[in-house]
Amino acid sequence: DIQMTQSPSSLSASVGDRVTITCRASQSIITYLNWYQQRPGTAPKLLLYAASSLQSGVPSRFSGSGSGTDFTLTISSLQPEDFGTYYCQQSYSTLWTFGQGTKVEIK
Amino acid sequence: EVQLVESGGGLVLPGGSLRLSCAASGFTFNNHWMTWVRQAPGRGLEFVANINQDGSEKNYVDSVKGRFTISRDNAKNSLYLQMNSLRAEDTAVYYCARDSGHSSSSVDNWGQGTLVTVSS
Repeated sequence: DIQMTQSPSSLSASVGDRVTITCRASQSIITYLNWYQQRPGTAPKLLLYAASSLQSGVPSRFSGSGSGTDFTLTISSLQPEDFGTYYCQQSYSTLWTFGQGTKVEIK
Repeated sequence: EVQLVESGGGLVLPGGSLRLSCAASGFTFNNHWMTWVRQAPGRGLEFVANINQDGSEKNYVDSVKGRFTISRDNAKNSLYLQMNSLRAEDTAVYYCARDSGHSSSSVDNWGQGTLVTVSS
């Protein structure tokens, strides 16, 4: 199975800060990498797919980059509604795997 | 509007069985791969199984192979997960999820989830 490792596990940042979350795959997944946000008590929401493509309706402050094994999710200016847990997910393998999550708190 | 509504969760004894259902509406169901994803209490997301448009291809995470069966009825716009020989570690919220159809398979619509609790 392809293992996905996110860092950091949690972070606390202020409104307006630039936030970066990384995701590393145990083998090359080319750009078969997606990002989700999950607020407490709700289903996840797709933010980015294919490493850098913004899902329809998602604010442009979210961006993604990377290929191969190393990927990054960036929030250019953190907003109050951006709290929650962020997950990366690979779809290079038909058996998808998710990262363990990064919890984002607003200071 | 895309809607995915799960049902069938509940409390079950270890070794027991449950059948989850997902009623889909607001899109052409037989155009999409469909997936079950679960989330144990306080834990992260885990892929459980997926199925292609006509049901001829199915994939399962190793921990449920031989115990769970994913299926679909395109005439009824419904997705199912038959869960047998349930274990405590299967306790989770189970989400029905629609594949986006993007080049990188992802979930663009999720149900609200149904809680399965395996406990004596």
